[in-house]
Amino acid sequence: NAGVTQTPKFQVLKTGQSMTLQCAQDMNHEYMSWYRQDPGMGLRLIHYSVGAGITDQGEVPNGYNVSRSTTEDFPLRLLSAAPSQTSVYFCASSYLGTLYNEQFFGPGTRLTVL
Amino acid sequence: AQSVTQLDSQVPVFEEAPVELRCNYSSSVSVYLFWYVQYPNQGLQLLLKYLSGSTLVESINGFEAEFNKSQTSFHLRKPSVHISDTAEYFCAVNPKLNSGAGSYQLTFGKGTKLSVIP
Repeated sequence: NAGVTQTPKFQVLKTGQSMTLQCAQDMNHEYMSWYRQDPGMGLRLIHYSVGAGITDQGEVPNGYNVSRSTTEDFPLRLLSAAPSQTSVYFCASSYLGTLYNEQFFGPGTRLTVL
Repeated sequence: AQSVTQLDSQVPVFEEAPVELRCNYSSSVSVYLFWYVQYPNQGLQLLLKYLSGSTLVESINGFEAEFNKSQTSFHLRKPSVHISDTAEYFCAVNPKLNSGAGSYQLTFGKGTKLSVIP
């Protein structure tokens, strides 16, 4: 199993550009989520999904869109990039058949917005 | 709602010395507890978890953590660290709820950077 994969690994954008960060998992996990990691801030939840067609907002959703058309994929879209969105983005997934949410993380995408 | 406090943002320690990384949490309900490790330029990996039962849990690489309900703590310890333990460590909590969106939430602390000095 590849686990959770993310592309690209690195990206540089100019203010106002749009892009999509890709996330895929091959573990048939129902739950998928996006976090951003900033120095001294830990991980903050952007959006999450508990299955195909179901998404919800996390702690810091503004400026980001998500959709979940399949169990495997959960792309994160930046509609109009801003310097404040410079961060490292992690996708994670988990199986909802247990009572606890043990998440598996991808390797991350490092995004710089100029 | 839950919150997690990792009391030290950076912990330098000499190789082969013991280390303790502190984690305190706040929650109105019982919680599951996790420690994740992030090696440089990598994603997070689960190090160990407390679900129920024995309050002392161990990882395969010599770390252990003890759940203390009265002090709402879940400190991570290792009796002798190696250079390869240099990483950032995150404590996280997940509420024990039977269902609903709240049961999915994983709240992270801000992380502790462990630097092992040769």
